[in-house]
Amino acid sequence: DGGITQSPKYLFRKEGQNVTLSCEQNLNHDAMYWYRQDPGQGLRLIYYSQIVNDFQKGDIAEGYSVSREKKESFPLTVTSAQKNPTAFYLCASSRGTDTQYFGPGTRLTVL
Amino acid sequence: SQKIEQNSEALNIQEGKTATLTCNYTNYSPAYLQWYRQDPGRGPVFLLLIRENEKEKRKERLKVTFDTTLKQSLFHITASQPADSATYLCALEGSGGYQKVTFGTGTKLQVIP
Repeated sequence: DGGITQSPKYLFRKEGQNVTLSCEQNLNHDAMYWYRQDPGQGLRLIYYSQIVNDFQKGDIAEGYSVSREKKESFPLTVTSAQKNPTAFYLCASSRGTDTQYFGPGTRLTVL
Repeated sequence: SQKIEQNSEALNIQEGKTATLTCNYTNYSPAYLQWYRQDPGRGPVFLLLIRENEKEKRKERLKVTFDTTLKQSLFHITASQPADSATYLCALEGSGGYQKVTFGTGTKLQVIP
């Protein structure tokens, strides 16, 4: 089955800890994205990557970091510098710049 | 500044009726507009894409219109069913070299049996 996967589904973190969210796709898409979704708000773009070994900041990149060493993988690290990290995190991929295919999401809670 | 507006209030509709959701935008000149469906706790799922030179697009019970003069898209679900209950997001291509896609906040649709 082709698709995009995220793990874990639920993640708990203590304040001051870094945590990495996984995103993998086997759709052979060049572009990948990370979004954050808070209740009552739309999807806000954190980082995106149009090609391997290249990525750009989105609208709310502060406190986050990413890497794109393989076409299939785009992990997101939520660092301790992110002041309000509790949210629903969504990863997506696309062949071009239009239709995006989303993963199931990771719900991060800071304890 | 660029803005995408979707009705933040939930839309309640009787089963079998046509649901119409609105997406208005300002300070965009998108080459296309997309609609996605999102169920609680899940990622959005792509439904339809309509380009600036298309006035209307249909897919089964779904219909999307795109009026670049009014800067508005309407999303219709005909013969609505309880299974259509979800949040519907519109998304626009932005400006700039990357043509980043920006999502609206979504409208929650509840179809009442």
